[in-house]
Amino acid sequence: GDSVTQMEGPVTLSEEAFLTINCTYTATGYPSLFWYVQYPGEGLQLLLKATKADDKGSNKGFEATYRKETTSFHLEKGSVQVSDSAVYFCALGNAGGTSYGKLTFGQGTILTVHP
Amino acid sequence: ETGVTQTPRHLVMGMTNKKSLKCEQHLGHNAMYWYKQSAKKPLELMFVYSLEERVENNSVPSRFSPECPNSSHLFLHLHTLQPEDSALYLCASSRRQGTEAFFGQGTRLTVV
Repeated sequence: GDSVTQMEGPVTLSEEAFLTINCTYTATGYPSLFWYVQYPGEGLQLLLKATKADDKGSNKGFEATYRKETTSFHLEKGSVQVSDSAVYFCALGNAGGTSYGKLTFGQGTILTVHP
Repeated sequence: ETGVTQTPRHLVMGMTNKKSLKCEQHLGHNAMYWYKQSAKKPLELMFVYSLEERVENNSVPSRFSPECPNSSHLFLHLHTLQPEDSALYLCASSRRQGTEAFFGQGTRLTVV
């Protein structure tokens, strides 16, 4: 079945540092890939997405490129802020032959950014 | 504002109580989901509804009973829960053909 593997956390960075959170997946067919962010006490918010190979999703300074050859969707940001402290989830959506979109999530990576 | 609203935000219940969680979406989506998020565990998909029909039940104990009366509302009825059921319960919805899900803010459930 489909699966998503994220780098283990927690990740601790200083403000303005470069961020990479690795994500790899296994799936059949042509899945869509997502990054979600969860701030303390909140639900998950869609951060960015990519629906086909070589697509780059971007939002709020975060980027991730859908790499089919390496089955990866790594999240990057050039300069993190304290407000980026949250839990980040990589997810895969594979509608396949079903009539709904089912998401498979990674285990989440906790990011803490210090001033 | 994500378009998916969950109530209540916090709930404390005894093991013999019966309570219900409510989820409402006005995004025109046809699929709705319940997820359980426990500390130090991955997100667990509990139930999936598509066009008000349950299409997936991931071996969830019968003390959790979902209900989807229409495409905009989803309930999770709870009875005789255990302390290990304490968690954040998240509702989500998605379009019929798409895979992008929108989440509510969750209900923090504590079973005492």
